[in-house]
Amino acid sequence: EVRLVQSGAEVKKPGDSLKISCKGSGYSFTSHWIGWVRQMPGKGPEWMGIIYPGDSGTRYSPSFEGQVTISDDKSINTAYLQWSSLKASDTAIYYCARLLYGSGTRPMDVWGQGTTVTVSS
Amino acid sequence: QSALTQPASVSGSPGQSITISCTGTSSDVGGYEYVSWYQQHPGKAPQLMIYDVSNRPSGVSDRFSGSKSGNTASLAISGLQAEDEADYYCGSYTSTTTWVFGGGTKVTVL
Repeated sequence: EVRLVQSGAEVKKPGDSLKISCKGSGYSFTSHWIGWVRQMPGKGPEWMGIIYPGDSGTRYSPSFEGQVTISDDKSINTAYLQWSSLKASDTAIYYCARLLYGSGTRPMDVWGQGTTVTVSS
Repeated sequence: QSALTQPASVSGSPGQSITISCTGTSSDVGGYEYVSWYQQHPGKAPQLMIYDVSNRPSGVSDRFSGSKSGNTASLAISGLQAEDEADYYCGSYTSTTTWVFGGGTKVTVL
């Protein structure tokens, strides 16, 4: 079974740093792009960016470039999303998702369970 | 990149058919055969229902079908069932080599 398991909920203060994770299993981790999606309360998903674990190449949405960093560790089949300085407006659920086999143009077919990030003073 | 436009809500009785529209531009929906649809139940992650405009992943009921005309894509659900009550989001590849999603449509089974 293909699965993506994300790290647990986080409560942080503005200005804190944070790195959340997404561990893949049941498929060749280095053969599929992995993406990150933000979903704010009551809103639609927002595509943040993707990484190809085969060579760690990344692509970011202009809305998120410079605001977050996507990375991976293929030795443990894990992708990461990190912030260096959180803002209250980063409060949301963050999903990782595998892209269908192929290029970075493919849609996301398998999703993690989501990580809730709450940023509050 | 602006979000794709979807109706806020659509409703139907069990057994009926409904259609959800998703309007974009020639830089996204109209420019590529890369439109997808996702179903999301409350508190759950989105699930891929349709990709590449009209293809169904393995395991998705054939009551779900997708199409596109110009800058507008559509998701049709036939034989509406109680379990179809959820939020539905469209997504499209864009000319900036990223993806954009719609604002979502809440489907209510009356």
